[in-house]
Amino acid sequence: NAGVTQTPKFRILKIGQSMTLQCTQDMNHNYMYWYRQDPGMGLKLIYYSVGAGITDKGEVPNGYNVSRSTTEDFPLRLELAAPSQTSVYFCASSPSGGGYEQYFGPGTRLTVT
Amino acid sequence: AQKVTQAQTEISVVEKEDVTLDCVYETRDTTYYLFWYKQPPSGELVFLIRRNSFDEQNEISGRYSWNFQKSTSSFNFTITASQVVDSAVYFCALRVSSEYGNKLVFGAGTILRVKS
Repeated sequence: NAGVTQTPKFRILKIGQSMTLQCTQDMNHNYMYWYRQDPGMGLKLIYYSVGAGITDKGEVPNGYNVSRSTTEDFPLRLELAAPSQTSVYFCASSPSGGGYEQYFGPGTRLTVT
Repeated sequence: AQKVTQAQTEISVVEKEDVTLDCVYETRDTTYYLFWYKQPPSGELVFLIRRNSFDEQNEISGRYSWNFQKSTSSFNFTITASQVVDSAVYFCALRVSSEYGNKLVFGAGTILRVKS
């Protein structure tokens, strides 16, 4: 049981490039989330999903896209990377949206130069 | 508004001191959940505790204790006899409801530095 895994761990992008951050969970959780954490700041929700085929925007969705074709996977797509997207990205999952805690992946550190 | 405020940006203590981290929340939900997470220097997020709005009983787990008071909308976290390994960023979070489901709103975090 690996929990929530994220790839890659680190990535440097040039301005205007695109990439996909991968997130997979093996706990059969319905809910999945993407957050970004800027230096010295809390976590801000980018997108979340309550099940396969259902996604919704969080606080800071601009510049990102997501899809949820399976329960396990929740990739985050960055189109036309900008320096403002330099951050640490965390994926998380939870069994449902009730009172369950979220389980976090190890994070992806992204730098856009 | 549905939000979490952690007014203490950074706290420094000497080992063995007790320290309390404050968390104040706002929500329009009648049923809600509060959480504390720890982020050590290694960067991962570690779940510490969950509390629902119906249960105001304080909780103690080893050196950690939590004081939940609905009257003041606070969910404070106390570490007794702090240790260097407690040095981390601590986040308080609130589950909020939305059209498509529930999500967590995080506070800005409190950096705790424990010096030996």
